[in-house]
Amino acid sequence: GAVVSQHPSWVICKSGTSVKIECRSLDFQATTMFWYRQFPKQSLMLMATSNEGSKATYEQGVEKDKFLINHASLTLSTLTVTSAHPEDSSFYICSAMEADTQYFGPGTRLTVL
Amino acid sequence: QKEVEQDPGPLSVPEGAIVSLNCTYSNSAFQYFMWYRQYSRKGPELLMYTYSSGNKEDGRFTAQVDKSSKYISLFIRDSQPSDSATYLCAMSAAGNKLTFGGGTRVLVKP
Repeated sequence: GAVVSQHPSWVICKSGTSVKIECRSLDFQATTMFWYRQFPKQSLMLMATSNEGSKATYEQGVEKDKFLINHASLTLSTLTVTSAHPEDSSFYICSAMEADTQYFGPGTRLTVL
Repeated sequence: QKEVEQDPGPLSVPEGAIVSLNCTYSNSAFQYFMWYRQYSRKGPELLMYTYSSGNKEDGRFTAQVDKSSKYISLFIRDSQPSDSATYLCAMSAAGNKLTFGGGTRVLVKP
């Protein structure tokens, strides 16, 4: 149980385009999901907390207009990187809460050319 | 000073040895403690979850929490090459937002 999926697993895009990443809880409902980014050989950095049916809460320093988060259902949250630039290239990971525990997705590697 | 400190390693051990990992923290409000394993280019996988102080065992894994010392540990017995990964400690105060350690890279040599 407690499986979280992400799609796509990797994506390459041109600078200036937008990219959408999906996060799904497959066998449970998640009122709360989280989005992280991770640079090579570093730990996870929380970007935002996504609550179903309400606006996401962004961490300090994260641009909410650049990283759009939508949590329209109890099993799906999406992260859209708008007008992506090479510095947005990173590993993006979502997690979903079940009880008191976060279960993580497999991650999405974004490369912006 | 970081809220959660974790030695980055790498920690290299021979196959069959006990792997000992630990984290220290400064926030006394933390009550939920977790250990995740992360393979390269993959998402973290939950290994152990502990609420408050005490020990917990699951197969080859033992987690210990000492809240009085603000110190948590993970022990891996009979280590295998497949245990080679980065191990992340994580903790939270209210069971939601996690604060991670920097991760310890472990290499188990056959």
